[in-house]
Amino acid sequence: SAVISQKPSRDICQRGTSLTIQCQVDSQVTMMFWYRQQPGQSLTLIATANQGSEATYESGFVIDKFPISRPNLTFSTLTVSNMSPEDSSIYLCSVRQGDYGYTFGSGTRLTVV
Amino acid sequence: QKEVEQNSGPLSVPEGAIASLNCTYSDRGSQSFFWYRQYSGKSPELIMSIYSNGDKEDGRFTAQLNKASQYVSLLIRDSQPSDSATYLCAPDGGGNTPLVFGKGTRLSVIA
Repeated sequence: SAVISQKPSRDICQRGTSLTIQCQVDSQVTMMFWYRQQPGQSLTLIATANQGSEATYESGFVIDKFPISRPNLTFSTLTVSNMSPEDSSIYLCSVRQGDYGYTFGSGTRLTVV
Repeated sequence: QKEVEQNSGPLSVPEGAIASLNCTYSDRGSQSFFWYRQYSGKSPELIMSIYSNGDKEDGRFTAQLNKASQYVSLLIRDSQPSDSATYLCAPDGGGNTPLVFGKGTRLSVIA
């Protein structure tokens, strides 16, 4: 199955600033998925990122707040913009590789102060 | 989006017992499902997938799919304290679609 390297693993940020999270996959994948996991909650899908096109966002998530880049088939970034304490969550990327199912990055624990 | 319902728990079982985790779904078009396990502070990891009606066994884990009743379950035999985690169920939308998880069930195995 695919191996995903996600950075940073954690960060503490000031409100009003932005943080960019990176995911690097060890093989080419068509789609990459970004999730948010708020404290004590399940994973919520933010958006689906396809190489060479704009990401598709789920209801409640907008591009201005969570811009995503997908420059090639092995890499993607998610930016959390103009952060507020409510953005404090774990952010995860995920890919699917055929019969191996879905693999997740190790997550980025974000705290906004 | 295809959605599933799970009892958030916590479900507490004694060590050595069978833990039964359930997931119901409303979309009759859902053909197959994944079970993921998530330890606190870690990312989800795949336990099993099930694609056809009936049971699928892998070690101490058995997944069951009942399409007529629209539920999928995960049985953990001889539960161990190391099985304490949140268990997430999700339908397989196929192709390049993302996983959409239920709320997850928190399992606590008491030594």
